[in-house]
Amino acid sequence: KAGVTQTPRYLIKTRGQQVTLSCSPISGHRSVSWYQQTPGQGLQFLFEYFSETQRNKGNFPGRFSGRQFSNSRSEMNVSTLELGDSALYLCASRSDTTEYGYTFGSGTRLTVV
Amino acid sequence: DQQVKQNSPSLSVQEGRISILNCDYTNSMFDYFLWYKKYPAEGPTFLISISSIKDKNEDGRFTVFLNKSAKHLSLHIVPSQPGDSAVYFCAASAKRSGSEKLVFGKGTKLTVNP
Repeated sequence: KAGVTQTPRYLIKTRGQQVTLSCSPISGHRSVSWYQQTPGQGLQFLFEYFSETQRNKGNFPGRFSGRQFSNSRSEMNVSTLELGDSALYLCASRSDTTEYGYTFGSGTRLTVV
Repeated sequence: DQQVKQNSPSLSVQEGRISILNCDYTNSMFDYFLWYKKYPAEGPTFLISISSIKDKNEDGRFTVFLNKSAKHLSLHIVPSQPGDSAVYFCAASAKRSGSEKLVFGKGTKLTVNP
């Protein structure tokens, strides 16, 4: 069974640009969450989607947005990139029948220069 | 305000001995707790979880203890193996309030020496 797939693995962008990251959850998983990991702040929740609806949102500015498609694949977008957006962005999916135990992807390492 | 705290950034133990990783939380709404293990350049891997209705959960070499009155949980690894060397994250959720959001601690780097 394929795991959570995130693309691309690495990305370098310039300040002011925008970026879109992609996540394909485990087949059959309808819940997808996104997290940002930085050395200073650790892992912080961005948002959670279930059946194309955003169910939860973390404390991030409106520059951070996401969406989920009918096949449960999800994308997150960051507009007007800032140096502080450099981080590892992790996507996680969960089965409806598993109470917890999100499965994480390997992440996308975003560097803003 | 950090709701989940792992006060030890690092821990070093000898192979075969017990590793004890600690985690404290402040939000009394948290009712589910998880431990994740993370290797460099990989996503976190789920290890073990515990509901607030229990005080202990065991899975092989891994045992999680929950002390609700102290708002404290710990992960015991016995015996520790060099392959256990990784960063361990404690996470909590307030599922009862309808939230699927996981709040993570900042992690403890465990090194198991052969």
